[in-house]
Amino acid sequence: DAMVIQNPRYQVTQFGKPVTLSCSQTLNHNVMYWYQQKSSQAPKLLFHYYDKDFNNEADTPDNFQSRRPNTSFCFLDIRSPGLGDAAMYLCATSRTRAGAEAFFGQGTRLTVV
Amino acid sequence: EDQVTQSPEALRLQEGESSSLNCSYTVSGLRGLFWYRQDPGKGPEFLFTLYSAGEEKEKERLKATLTKKESFLHITAPKPEDSATYLCAVQERNSGNTPLVFGKGTRLSVIA
Repeated sequence: DAMVIQNPRYQVTQFGKPVTLSCSQTLNHNVMYWYQQKSSQAPKLLFHYYDKDFNNEADTPDNFQSRRPNTSFCFLDIRSPGLGDAAMYLCATSRTRAGAEAFFGQGTRLTVV
Repeated sequence: EDQVTQSPEALRLQEGESSSLNCSYTVSGLRGLFWYRQDPGKGPEFLFTLYSAGEEKEKERLKATLTKKESFLHITAPKPEDSATYLCAVQERNSGNTPLVFGKGTRLSVIA
């Protein structure tokens, strides 16, 4: 029973062509996160939502945007993907921001050509 | 300076050969330490949460322990299906909203 679902699992996009990744959850968690993970590196937090409150990390490029239209769904928009944006993008949810474990989706592998 | 350091980067074990993975952290106050397992091409799978020094959690062949500066993930008599990358993450205790900070992981290979 998948609880955090990411679509698509694999996405190929052209350099500079906008792309949207999606995430849905059945856990009814308040917090949703987007992480970027490159090969053999730690997941890096891009931003998170606490309910509708958006929190951007200071070093997240402006090229990355997010939307959370309701509790269940969250989207990651990359406005003009560059070659350096090729990575695994991970969506996660948690019940609260303080001390609660995060549950991850299976990720979307983004390739930029 | 990295807040979370995992060692070794990679570990190769024979089936049945027990060992430990290390996660050291430098946050001033710890709200929680989390262990995850990540298989290639997949998202991290939650294993344990530890909140205070001296706490221990177990699941099958895995046991996680916590001190004031580090955590260990002990693997007893590992099997090939335990092969994965094990990630450690910490959350700092402060008045703001602090996200999980991950280490780079330990890539474990268990050979039959």
